[in-house]
Amino acid sequence: QQPVQSPQAVILREGEDAVINCSSSKALYSVHWYRQKHGEAPVFLMILLKGGEQKGHEKISASFNEKKQQSSLYLTASQLSYSGTYFCGTEIHGGATNKLIFGTGTLLAVQP
Amino acid sequence: DTGVSQDPRHKITKRGQNVTFRCDPISEHNRLYWYRQTLGQGPEFLTYFQNEAQLEKSRLLSDRFSAERPKGSFSTLEIQRTEQGDSAMYLCASSLVLLAGGVEPPFGPGTRLTVL
Repeated sequence: QQPVQSPQAVILREGEDAVINCSSSKALYSVHWYRQKHGEAPVFLMILLKGGEQKGHEKISASFNEKKQQSSLYLTASQLSYSGTYFCGTEIHGGATNKLIFGTGTLLAVQP
Repeated sequence: DTGVSQDPRHKITKRGQNVTFRCDPISEHNRLYWYRQTLGQGPEFLTYFQNEAQLEKSRLLSDRFSAERPKGSFSTLEIQRTEQGDSAMYLCASSLVLLAGGVEPPFGPGTRLTVL
């Protein structure tokens, strides 16, 4: 039931782009994306509610393909501050609970 | 600061002791969630409340765990007879249920529990 994220880890140079994928075996009501720095709580990035929806947050954007039960997070022109572990949180069951099932995580390291 | 707050931020205890954590949600939020995160893993859902009612509990929440939200405001999570496997970050989140659409539940800073 846990969504699978890919890749598991990625190393970038500043200014490079990356894509993180989140794939679920269950039909999704919404997808939430979080970034977590070591030793800190996850920080909310964005929520996608509708199939095919795309949202943006600074140079970070995401898409949600409801039919494929997948979401992708796009990081463009990466900055050192983007380093951390990215988690997708998926909401099923029509969104009645707002309970999130988190993915396996993707470790992103941005180097100078 | 009007965000979710948790207390304590860190707790070190010996195996077999009881511990209690507190979460204060954003004031107008009627839903409150507890998650547990072990090293290298994503957060795992434990339980959630709508107002004072506990509506769902995960199978992860063994009999040693109990959560309350007596007045529909703050919540406590108690772990009895702690075990080393309980060592984790315990995260609290809150949200306001709207008639349409999902809302993002912001997490509190977490309570890191270390059981020796």
